[in-house]
Amino acid sequence: GNSVTQMEGPVTLSEEAFLTINCTYTATGYPSLFWYVQYPGEGLQLLLKATKADDKGSNKGFEATYRKETTSFHLEKGSVQVSDSAVYFCALNNAGNMLTFGGGTRLMVKP
Amino acid sequence: DAGVIQSPRHEVTEMGQEVTLRCKPISGHDYLFWYRQTMMRGLELLIYFNNNVPIDDSGMPEDRFSAKMPNASFSTLKIQPSEPRDSAVYFCASGSEVKTQYFGPGTRLLVL
Repeated sequence: GNSVTQMEGPVTLSEEAFLTINCTYTATGYPSLFWYVQYPGEGLQLLLKATKADDKGSNKGFEATYRKETTSFHLEKGSVQVSDSAVYFCALNNAGNMLTFGGGTRLMVKP
Repeated sequence: DAGVIQSPRHEVTEMGQEVTLRCKPISGHDYLFWYRQTMMRGLELLIYFNNNVPIDDSGMPEDRFSAKMPNASFSTLKIQPSEPRDSAVYFCASGSEVKTQYFGPGTRLLVL
């Protein structure tokens, strides 16, 4: 079956630090991969996506590259801000099936 | 567009009472999803609809939970009777395809 594994949080960083949140997946075929972000008290929002191997999704300074050889989709940002504090969810969609979400990683950015 | 609208935003009730959560999807979206989020189990898909028809309800915890979508602009999730373990944040999401979903702000339910 499909599954997504994320690094456990919380991840605590100082402002302007470099961010990496690891995500690996298990799926047959060629899934589409997503990162969602959940700000405090809100629902999930699509942050970025990639639909095929070697694609790079990017938005708001965040990037993730679809690596089929390592079945990974790690989220990165070069310089985080306090406003980036949120929970980040990695997810996959395989052949039109439901989204499969990881457990979420909480990011806390201190000024 | 106003986005996905959920009501109420917060609900506090006593064990045994009926709870009804409401959702208005984004206009034009054919898919509607209900999720539950807890610290222990994370984000769980409860049920989803396509063109107002329930497609997969395998995530619904038990018979106390029911969901309806009488038309394209409205859905309800009902819990009867409610129990303390139902306390969670319930999200509704909609989309024009399965893989791109737009989430509402959620309903925070506390059952005492």
